[in-house]
Amino acid sequence: DSGVTQTPKHLITATGQRVTLRCSPRSGDLSVYWYQQSLDQGLQFLIQYYNGEERAKGNILERFSAQQFPDLHSELNLSSLELGDSALYFCASSVGLRNEQFFGPGTRLTVL
Amino acid sequence: EDQVTQSPEALRLQEGESSSLNCSYTVSGLRGLFWYRQDPGKGPEFLFTLYSAGEEKEKERLKATLTKKESFLHITAPKPEDSATYLCAAGGFQKLVFGTGTRLLVSP
Repeated sequence: DSGVTQTPKHLITATGQRVTLRCSPRSGDLSVYWYQQSLDQGLQFLIQYYNGEERAKGNILERFSAQQFPDLHSELNLSSLELGDSALYFCASSVGLRNEQFFGPGTRLTVL
Repeated sequence: EDQVTQSPEALRLQEGESSSLNCSYTVSGLRGLFWYRQDPGKGPEFLFTLYSAGEEKEKERLKATLTKKESFLHITAPKPEDSATYLCAAGGFQKLVFGTGTRLLVSP
């Protein structure tokens, strides 16, 4: 158990819908990262927050957005969902900006 | 552009048959090289961090080494429970860049 929690574990929804994924980092970690992992692709970095501020952006679609709250938990919002958005979404956390990252168990999103 | 390449894509070993996984990287301003283990449907599990060429770290049957251009994960006398995908990630200035992993299968 890494200490990073993610909810929900599974999410099934329809195309065009909007969902929110939630992540609580390890106690003491200030950085939160979001990744997408599809079957045909490796881990794709989406976005990073550090102590409430966006610090780095990867290949995140405009339909996706995230934020980190004062209590350091983070949410990833996915809107206008498409079939291709079906994937595992992982959250990770680290103490600082460039330390090793610890991953949560992931949220499996299925878009029908 | 920062890049991490892992080889082989898949590796099948007999129990007790030692081998090495390779991770080559091209990253501006390397801040650290990370190894993870991932089981199907689960989050990557942190194994090692290496910061400078020549550094080595060990954990049970695994040993990670780092040169200026690549890292190796040596698996000594593997057991079936070592079967997993092993991911390498290089920490650049802004973010971690992950390789696509090596799928390891250890047969009894």
